[in-house]
Amino acid sequence: ETGVTQTPRHLVMGMTNKKSLKCEQHLGHNAMYWYKQSAKKPLELMFVYSLEERVENNSVPSRFSPECPNSSHLFLHLHTLQPEDSALYLCASSRGDRVDRGYTFGSGTRLTVV
Amino acid sequence: DAKTTQPNSMESNEEEPVHLPCNHSTISGTDYIHWYRQLPSQGPEYVIHGLTSNVNNRMASLAIAEDRKSSTLILHRATLRDAAVYYCIPPYIFGKGTRLHILP
Repeated sequence: ETGVTQTPRHLVMGMTNKKSLKCEQHLGHNAMYWYKQSAKKPLELMFVYSLEERVENNSVPSRFSPECPNSSHLFLHLHTLQPEDSALYLCASSRGDRVDRGYTFGSGTRLTVV
Repeated sequence: DAKTTQPNSMESNEEEPVHLPCNHSTISGTDYIHWYRQLPSQGPEYVIHGLTSNVNNRMASLAIAEDRKSSTLILHRATLRDAAVYYCIPPYIFGKGTRLHILP
């Protein structure tokens, strides 16, 4: 266990479904991140939250909607996804958004869109 | 954004040292250089980071070039458990990394 917990570990959803991914950390970190990892591609940064405010949104389609209700929890709400959105979604946290001290990653949610 | 260049893959024999290179010629003067590794079915794991000086920890050593345009991750005695994809990153941006194969 890394201290960053992601649920569920696996998710299969239809293109018309709505689902949410959850990330939780109790490391005292104040920045949280969503990354997407597709097969044979580098990790892509999706969203950055620092002190519960979104500080970066890397041109992610609106069918992905993040939510950070407090510094320990991060959600990724999904709706009307496409098959190409199938990927490993990774959450990470750090102490401060300059990541001088490095990230701690969760184990990811493996998402399959059918 | 700073970009990195790493070999796609490398091989090493078990219990021998491994030197994993990374070029990051566009890194800014204040960005730390981080190294992570990712084992199958897991998220990336922090290995080491540094700014200008060489760094050592229980997992590895990091040698940073004087001009900061490149760095080398050193695993002193590779084991089979070190087989992973190794990423060298300036903040936020991951490249494709180096897939390290360890031969028994």
